[in-house]
Amino acid sequence: DTGVSQNPRHKITKRGQNVTFRCDPISEHNRLYWYRQTLGQGPEFLTYFQNEAQLEKSRLLSDRFSAERPKGSFSTLEIQRTEQGDSAMYLCASSSPQGNRETQYFGPGTRLLVL
Amino acid sequence: AQSVTQLGSHVSVSEGALVLLRCNYSSSVPPYLFWYVQYPNQGLQLLLKYTTGATLVKGINGFEAEFKKSETSFHLTKPSAHMSDAAEYFCAVISDSNYQLIWGAGTKLIIKP
Repeated sequence: DTGVSQNPRHKITKRGQNVTFRCDPISEHNRLYWYRQTLGQGPEFLTYFQNEAQLEKSRLLSDRFSAERPKGSFSTLEIQRTEQGDSAMYLCASSSPQGNRETQYFGPGTRLLVL
Repeated sequence: AQSVTQLGSHVSVSEGALVLLRCNYSSSVPPYLFWYVQYPNQGLQLLLKYTTGATLVKGINGFEAEFKKSETSFHLTKPSAHMSDAAEYFCAVISDSNYQLIWGAGTKLIIKP
């Protein structure tokens, strides 16, 4: 399977704990995106990388959130001191290097529940 | 600024009936438009996309959409609904400035037997 993969698929944590999610994009894709989706809503953009460079961060990404893509391949999204409002589906997508507005392909998501 | 509006948070059709999910967009540049489908507790799967060229776009699972510039619309249709089509459908436009997808609020498609 050469699609986008995300781990873990589900995470339950207690408020105040730190969590880290991983995304492995399609291998030849150089752009990687993180989105957050709450129940009944469309996804909201969080951040994106071109290779290892983080080029944009949404205002939604508070200082408790950090994302990395150290070697331009997989990416991690860490949430520190989780709050109940962080409960959501975290989606990762990747796109190929052709053109400026290419198609984004999504992983299955990581569903986070903060108790 | 670009935006997407999906009319109807829920659409209910009978099995075998026509499916029509509405999407209108605003964009100051020629848009790249997408429809994605999301099944419960799963990620988003690309149904179809419009970039340039032919305005009638065919996608997977028998869906198609027509780009109408004069109406700023990109409605999704399927001639005959199947029970397996029950899911949430999202219309999106890609930003012309930073490549992020700008999403509609989604339409939940309910199929009645």
